[in-house]
Amino acid sequence: KAGVTQTPRYLIKTRGQQVTLSCSPISGHRSVSWYQQTPGQGLQFLFEYFSETQRNKGNFPGRFSGRQFSNSRSEMNVSTLELGDSALYLCASSLDGTRSNEQFFGPGTRLTVL
Amino acid sequence: SQQGEEDPQALSIQEGENATMNCSYKTSINNLQWYRQNSGRGLVHLILIRSNEREKHSGRLRVTLDTSKKSSSLLITASRAADTASYFCATDGNSGYSTLTFGKGTMLLVSP
Repeated sequence: KAGVTQTPRYLIKTRGQQVTLSCSPISGHRSVSWYQQTPGQGLQFLFEYFSETQRNKGNFPGRFSGRQFSNSRSEMNVSTLELGDSALYLCASSLDGTRSNEQFFGPGTRLTVL
Repeated sequence: SQQGEEDPQALSIQEGENATMNCSYKTSINNLQWYRQNSGRGLVHLILIRSNEREKHSGRLRVTLDTSKKSSSLLITASRAADTASYFCATDGNSGYSTLTFGKGTMLLVSP
């Protein structure tokens, strides 16, 4: 069974631009969560989607948004990029996103904002 | 905010030695998971231990959980150079969903 895939793997943008990242969960998994990892703040939860609905959201500004499609694939978008948005963005999939299920992570997208 | 706090922040050992990492958390949990991360890559799921379990084994890994002390430990036995990585514990907190809260991790260096 294929793991979680994320595209692109690396991205360089300039301040003020916007970016869209994509995540394909493990087949059969319906929950997708997004996390941001920076050296200063560590791993922080962005949001979680299940059946095309955002169920949970972390403490990030509205510039960060996401969506999930009917095939469970998810995208996250960051608008008006700031230097501080440079980070590794990780997505994780689980069967149904309940607390009893393991979460499996993709390789991440490394975003650099210049 | 960080729920889990790993200790130590960094650990350097020789191949063949055992490595022990600790994690403390603040709120009640349903389960606790340990992950490994190599050089800023994705997180690899190692093991999940439920709040009603006290110990779990997987190959060279042994995880313990003490809910009364809100702490967990990860033991890697007979370490190898390939075990060099950062290790994170993650808890699911109080939400009904699988939102994970991570600690800052322990960086393990295993020298040949």
